[in-house]
Amino acid sequence: NAGVMQNPRHLVRRRGQEARLRCSPMKGHSHVYWYRQLPEEGLKFMVYLQKENIIDESGMPKERFSAEFPKEGPSILRIQQVVRGDSAAYFCASSPQWEQYFGPGTRLTVT
Amino acid sequence: AQTVTQSQPEMSVQEAETVTLSCTYDTSENNYYLFWYKQPPSRQMILVIRQEAYKQQNATENRFSVNFQKAAKSFSLKISDSQLGDTAMYFCAFMKGGGGADGLTFGKGTHLIIQP
Repeated sequence: NAGVMQNPRHLVRRRGQEARLRCSPMKGHSHVYWYRQLPEEGLKFMVYLQKENIIDESGMPKERFSAEFPKEGPSILRIQQVVRGDSAAYFCASSPQWEQYFGPGTRLTVT
Repeated sequence: AQTVTQSQPEMSVQEAETVTLSCTYDTSENNYYLFWYKQPPSRQMILVIRQEAYKQQNATENRFSVNFQKAAKSFSLKISDSQLGDTAMYFCAFMKGGGGADGLTFGKGTHLIIQP
């Protein structure tokens, strides 16, 4: 059973560009979560999704950030018009019920 | 809102020693879950151990065990016979219970260094 997959592992974007981060949950897991980790800090919850539904987006910035988990395909975290402050590691986790298993993360660098 | 506090930014012990990492949390919930995650230099988040708040028995996974004190809202991690591969950041995390999964609230982490 493959683990949670994230791609790309590293992403470099210039200010103003769009970043798309992908997450494929573990087989059989219907819950997906996105977290952001700034340097020297713990992970901060952003959004929780189930197939075709956003369950909790209380941790998402109000502008430029969006997330989806379509019926088919991976979950996508999209950041529009990136700024330097968006540079961070973004982790996806999936869960069958309550234990969350993390992917390897995507390190986003905004230049 | 929940908060998780890890008061030890860094700890260092000799290989084979036992080390305890502390974690306290604040919540008004009665039903919740607690976790310890390990983040080695590879940055992969690895689930070390989990505890359901309704269970009185402390969780154990091989060399890893917890001391869960619900009344004191304390959830410490004990690593016995520490190994070089245990060197990592360790994060304590909280999740509300009640029917469906929820986002995790993490502490700021403890950097554990195992010295040879």
